[in-house]
Amino acid sequence: AQTVTQSQPEMSVQEAETVTLSCTYDTSESNYYLFWYKQPPSRQMILVIRQEAYKQQNATENRFSVNFQKAAKSFSLKISDSQLGDTAMYFCAFMKHGGAQKLVFGQGTRLTINP
Amino acid sequence: EAQVTQNPRYLITVTGKKLTVTCSQNMNHEYMSWYRQDPGLGLRQIYYSMNVEVTDKGDVPEGYKVSRKEKRNFPLILESPSPNQTSLYFCASRPGQFMNTEAFFGQGTRLTVV
Repeated sequence: AQTVTQSQPEMSVQEAETVTLSCTYDTSESNYYLFWYKQPPSRQMILVIRQEAYKQQNATENRFSVNFQKAAKSFSLKISDSQLGDTAMYFCAFMKHGGAQKLVFGQGTRLTINP
Repeated sequence: EAQVTQNPRYLITVTGKKLTVTCSQNMNHEYMSWYRQDPGLGLRQIYYSMNVEVTDKGDVPEGYKVSRKEKRNFPLILESPSPNQTSLYFCASRPGQFMNTEAFFGQGTRLTVV
């Protein structure tokens, strides 16, 4: 079974700073996807970024980028020039290719951006 | 607008009183699932459905039932709710088994069982 671990329950940074959220996972699969989801106080689950395991290049979406280390099974999220609107719970998630397509989530990291 | 709609958004009920949380999607997605979110545990899958009349258990199915009679609807049924089912529930959908696209989530249902 796959597991996802987020070791930082809470983080806090000042506006405009760069912050990195950690995520490690355990799997024996070779073909899978990794995701970062943002959950603001509205509770909506918002996809931030997605990485396909077969792609060596790290995914980027504007101020959000990942550091995907497949051998180390690590998938960290970097937020550059952080903004107040980035304040949210962030979840790392794993999904193997094919089959039931279950998303396996980490415990979450509560990120607060301070003015 | 493409969306997943859950109802109700908030629900307080008493132990043992049957309830249903509805979920509907307008994107003709084949795959639908239910998750519950608890502090320190993240989201865990309860049940999923890969198409009409095809459902299967996720990681935490005890105390829950689902049905998939129509492609767009996937209700979550709690026959006899207990306080340990107090949680935040999410319905999600995606196009199909080999489609590399994101999951669409509903707005969540905050359930409290007293």
